[in-house]
Amino acid sequence: EAQVTQNPRYLITVTGKKLTVTCSQNMNHEYMSWYRQDPGLGLRQIYYSMNVEVTDKGDVPEGYKVSRKEKRNFPLILESPSPNQTSLYFCASSFRKNMNTEAFFGQGTRLTVV
Amino acid sequence: KQEVTQIPAALSVPEGENLVLNCSFTDSAIYNLQWFRQDPGKGLTSLLLIQSSQREQTSGRLNASLDKSSGRSTLYIAASQPGDSATYLCAVNSEVVKAAGNKLTFGGGTRVLVKP
Repeated sequence: EAQVTQNPRYLITVTGKKLTVTCSQNMNHEYMSWYRQDPGLGLRQIYYSMNVEVTDKGDVPEGYKVSRKEKRNFPLILESPSPNQTSLYFCASSFRKNMNTEAFFGQGTRLTVV
Repeated sequence: KQEVTQIPAALSVPEGENLVLNCSFTDSAIYNLQWFRQDPGKGLTSLLLIQSSQREQTSGRLNASLDKSSGRSTLYIAASQPGDSATYLCAVNSEVVKAAGNKLTFGGGTRVLVKP
């Protein structure tokens, strides 16, 4: 089954404790990205990756890091989480070469930073 | 810059009534538009993808239209059911953000409640 898998689904952590949210897709997609969803602000892109070893900032990259060492994985790293990073996070993937392509989303990770 | 708006923000209808959800975007140079469903606290489920060359797309009780020149898309859900209660999001893949690959610009969503 074609899918984007995020882990963990729920996470409560303390300020400053490094964490990683994993994302994996099984569709051989070149393009992967991370979004955060906040009430009143909608979904905003954090980082994206066009392919292996190619990443770039989205609209709200501050406080986040990513890596793309393998095509299927695109982890989101919070080196020193702060309460304003409490949010619902989504990983997405799609084919890059064909711009008329459907985007697939993971089930989301609800992060709470206290 | 692409901006996507969904009006109304919330909608309540009795079961059986047809639903009409609106999405408007400011830049007509798009690759495609995608409609999603989101249940509370859950992920995004893709409903329909309309490519820029298409006028409409259908899947079961769902029908989505696209008018690129006026910057509008409408999602129709026929004979609504309580199980259709969710938030519906539209997202646009725009040429103006081509450098960012397949970045989607999302509308704020329409929260739908179908009453039994």
